[in-house]
Amino acid sequence: AQSVAQPEDQVNVAEGNPLTVKCTYSVSGNPYLFWYVQYPNRGLQFLLKYITGDNLVKGSYGFEAEFNKSQTSFHLKKPSALVSDSALYFCAVRDWTYNTDKLIFGTGTRLQVFP
Amino acid sequence: SAVISQKPSRDICQRGTSLTIQCQVDSQVTMMFWYRQQPGQSLTLIATANQGSEATYESGFVIDKFPISRPNLTFSTLTVSNMSPEDSSIYLCSVGRPSNYGYTFGSGTRLTVV
Repeated sequence: AQSVAQPEDQVNVAEGNPLTVKCTYSVSGNPYLFWYVQYPNRGLQFLLKYITGDNLVKGSYGFEAEFNKSQTSFHLKKPSALVSDSALYFCAVRDWTYNTDKLIFGTGTRLQVFP
Repeated sequence: SAVISQKPSRDICQRGTSLTIQCQVDSQVTMMFWYRQQPGQSLTLIATANQGSEATYESGFVIDKFPISRPNLTFSTLTVSNMSPEDSSIYLCSVGRPSNYGYTFGSGTRLTVV
């Protein structure tokens, strides 16, 4: 079965510093990987996805993620964190069969950016 | 990407009652999904709702507790039946577009059962 793991419940970073939110995956076949962000009292917003191609994927709000097949990782990164980036971040993997096509989510990582 | 309108945005309900959540999409989609997010937890898929067929429920979720309707390609409802405080969660509607691997989420329904 497809799965993703987010080893950190919370990540703290100072504003202006680079940030990394970690995600590792376990899949059969080629991985289709996603990052979503959830702000308080809001739904999930799509940040970026890896389907194929370049290992470095650029997404919304200045975020990027690096797909690493040998380490089975898909870490989310941003060169310079903003206080407004503070939110809950979810990594997800696509799980599909002949009759379904759905996302399986990690446990989430809370990012706290301090001024 | 699709735009999803989910209603209600929040509700406080008495135990033993039922609540129906509506999900309206601005374009036709084949696959719609219902997720539950318990307090402080990740998202768990309840069921997949495809138009013209019965919903497919994930392990741990049953139709009697979470009946789903999917009358057309732009609309679905999820009912939370015979509610208890353990049903207090955020419920999210999602649509999938396999053609571009896009998955969009509604803003969610925050349910509190008292």
